[in-house]
Amino acid sequence: AQSVTQLDSQVPVFEEAPVELRCNYSSSVSVYLFWYVQYPNQGLQLLLKYLSGSTLVKGINGFEAEFNKSQTSFHLRKPSVHISDTAEYFCAVRPAGGGNKLTFGTGTQLKVEL
Amino acid sequence: GAGVSQTPSNKVTEKGKYVELRCDPISGHTALYWYRQSLGQGPEFLIYFQGTGAADDSGLPNDRFFAVRPEGSVSTLKIQRTERGDSAVYLCASSLGGQVGETQYFGPGTRLLVL
Repeated sequence: AQSVTQLDSQVPVFEEAPVELRCNYSSSVSVYLFWYVQYPNQGLQLLLKYLSGSTLVKGINGFEAEFNKSQTSFHLRKPSVHISDTAEYFCAVRPAGGGNKLTFGTGTQLKVEL
Repeated sequence: GAGVSQTPSNKVTEKGKYVELRCDPISGHTALYWYRQSLGQGPEFLIYFQGTGAADDSGLPNDRFFAVRPEGSVSTLKIQRTERGDSAVYLCASSLGGQVGETQYFGPGTRLLVL
């Protein structure tokens, strides 16, 4: 079984400041990793995913994440946030060897302030 | 093109009643998933369809929950004898072929409130 821990339930940040949203996972097998964003009253939208290869993954809207196998982490970063980045962010994992269900963390609410 | 759609967007029902939630996946997507998101939590997997068949229903909490996808496109999640604890946002997602690394595209969800 897999589990995902998002250590911060809320992250306030000023506009144009950098941000890091933390994600740690636990799994006995290799996993694929995902970050989704959920804007109010909208569905989850994929930001980026790590399947294999380079551990630094770039996604949409200027976000990137780095897979660290030894620390079992997949932290999400953005060098300069915008008001429009205010949303809920979810980290998720899926077994690499098979199985289709995503296991999500509890989410991090990013609030960008002027 | 059109994304995943879900109806109704909101549903209020009374304890003990039966409800049906509908999901229209992206055209051509053979894989369909249902998740449930309780307040303050991340989505939790319920069931996965590949075509018409339920390939994994390990997330259904009990036998009051049932889902169908008779023609391999639209799916209906059915909840019998609803309980207050069933109140949540029910999310549907679809993906192209059910391959492990492929992206799941989510609908906006149905917000179910059981009074």
